[in-house]
Amino acid sequence: DAGVIQSPRHEVTEMGQEVTLRCKPISGHDYLFWYRQTMMRGLELLIYFNNNVPIDDSGMPEDRFSAKMPNASFSTLKIQPSEPRDSAVYFCASSNTFSGPKGYTQYFGPGTRLTVL
Amino acid sequence: GDSVTQMEGPVTLSEEAFLTINCTYTATGYPSLFWYVQYPGEGLQLLLKATKADDKGSNKGFEATYRKETTSFHLEKGSVQVSDSAVYFCALSNQGGKLIFGQGTELSVKP
Repeated sequence: DAGVIQSPRHEVTEMGQEVTLRCKPISGHDYLFWYRQTMMRGLELLIYFNNNVPIDDSGMPEDRFSAKMPNASFSTLKIQPSEPRDSAVYFCASSNTFSGPKGYTQYFGPGTRLTVL
Repeated sequence: GDSVTQMEGPVTLSEEAFLTINCTYTATGYPSLFWYVQYPGEGLQLLLKATKADDKGSNKGFEATYRKETTSFHLEKGSVQVSDSAVYFCALSNQGGKLIFGQGTELSVKP
């Protein structure tokens, strides 16, 4: 399997611009997670989906952030408008529950490094 | 709510030294416990896990034992290498597939 795929790997944009990050989970996985990592705040869970349905978006920092999962093989995280404080590494991860209710292993993508100038 | 607490870093060791990174948790019920590792410029990857009390997870010379009586899951390795330099995250999963991560501990191993 190719693993979790994220694009782009690096994004540099100017304040006020729209940014779209993309994620392709591992085939057959039914959970998808979006995280943000910064030096100051560490690793934060933004939102996660189960079977393409958003389950918990309490970590989304504000209305400028939105996430969608139109099908089982694709998800986007959009920031509009972007601000310098959004600069971070954004990770997508996926997991499956087929092994039972315990021991879910999340598989992380390589991340997108976002810089907002 | 559920939470994970790790020892603060950075931890700096010489090659072949013994490693312990402490991790304690607070959770209702019987969570599963994980250690993830993040190498520079990469995403997190699973290092080991344990799904019930007294289970020992192990991988690449690293070990951790699920201690319910002390609510701990300390990571150990008998002899670290320079290539083990990374950030290590302890995490728990209780229900619904969501992971609760600790703040991460940076390990630096010097030759």
